[in-house]
Amino acid sequence: DIQMTQSPSAMSASVGDRVTITCRASQGINNYLVWFQQKPGKGPKRLIYASSSLQSGVPSRFSGSGSGTEFTLTISSLQPEDFATYYCLQHKSYPWTFGQGTKVEIK
Amino acid sequence: EVQLVESGGGLVKPGGSLRLSCAASGFTFSTYNMNWVRQAPGKGLECVSFISTSSASIYYADSVKGRFTISRDNAKNLLYLQMNGLRAEDTAIYYCARDCMTTVTPFDYWGQGTLVTVSS
Repeated sequence: DIQMTQSPSAMSASVGDRVTITCRASQGINNYLVWFQQKPGKGPKRLIYASSSLQSGVPSRFSGSGSGTEFTLTISSLQPEDFATYYCLQHKSYPWTFGQGTKVEIK
Repeated sequence: EVQLVESGGGLVKPGGSLRLSCAASGFTFSTYNMNWVRQAPGKGLECVSFISTSSASIYYADSVKGRFTISRDNAKNLLYLQMNGLRAEDTAIYYCARDCMTTVTPFDYWGQGTLVTVSS
């Protein structure tokens, strides 16, 4: 199985901060990488697919980059509604696997 | 509006069985691949199973292989997960999730989840 290592596991940030979350794959996955946001008590919401394509309706402050084994999710200016847990997912080969998550908390 | 509504969760004893359902609406269900994803309390996400549009392709996580069965009824717009031989470690919220067929990428829509608790 392909392992996804996400970092950091948690972070504190302030409104307006630039936030970067990284996912590393144990083997090359081309651009088969998706990012999700999850708030407490809710199902995940897709933010980015194909490593860098913005899901319809998602604010442009969210962006993704990377290919192969290293990927990043960037929030250019953190907003109050962005405090949540973020997950990456590889879908190069089944079983598709998630990173362990990054919890973004208010500083 | 795309809607996915899971049901069938509950409390079951170890070794017991449960069948989850996911009712789909707002899109042509028969043309979308579907999935079950679970999340243990306070933990991360795990892909459980995948089924293609015509049920020709089906995949399972190793952790559930031989115990869980995914199926779908395209006439009724329903996705199922039959869970047998349940274990404490199967305790989780179970989500159904749709694949995006235009971009061939996973999980563009999710349900709200149904909680399965395996305990004596």
